Amino acid sequence: KQEVTQIPAALSVPEGENLVLNCSFTDSAIYNLQWFRQDPGKGLTSLLLIQSSQREQTSGRLNASLDKSSGRSTLYIAASQPGDSATYLCAVRTSGSRLTFGEGTQLTVNP
Amino acid sequence: DTAVSQTPKYLVTQMGNDKSIKCEQNLGHDTMYWYKQDSKKFLKIMFSYNNKELIINETVPNRFSPKSPDKAHLNLHINSLELGDSAVYFCASSPGGGVAGELFFGEGSRLTVL
Repeated sequence: KQEVTQIPAALSVPEGENLVLNCSFTDSAIYNLQWFRQDPGKGLTSLLLIQSSQREQTSGRLNASLDKSSGRSTLYIAASQPGDSATYLCAVRTSGSRLTFGEGTQLTVNP
Repeated sequence: DTAVSQTPKYLVTQMGNDKSIKCEQNLGHDTMYWYKQDSKKFLKIMFSYNNKELIINETVPNRFSPKSPDKAHLNLHINSLELGDSAVYFCASSPGGGVAGELFFGEGSRLTVL
């Protein structure tokens, strides 16, 4: 059974810092990994999707890497801004259409 | 245009009642999902439909019954509501029947059972 863990559970940083969020998964037989952002009381917004054959994906100040063999992914956020404050969720796609989520990292960027 | 829309956004009801949540996607996707997010913010899949056909049915009580009248709609009906059903229910969709597609989520429906 796939298990996804995100570390840290919460993170508070000053504006402008570069930061890394971590995601690990127990079963390396994944099809893809997706990072989401969730604002309080809102739905999930897809940030980046990495297919199993890829090593990383970039979008603006975000860079996500994937090391399938070690069961790890990182989300790198450059030059963090208060607007980046949200919960970041990692999810892996295994068999069929099943997507397993981590519990998220709650990020606060202080001005 | 909202890609994945759910109604209602908020639902407050008494124990024992029956309620429905509706979901529609205008992305032309073949696969739709229902996820439940509990008070600890953990997201867990409940059901998945591909072209109106049920493909994932997690261990949820029989009181929960999904219905997909067409591939753009996936509704969730809940009978005999219990306190533990209080949660946020998210609808999502993804393209194709394969595994490579990106998931798009609705804004969620917050259900409170009193």
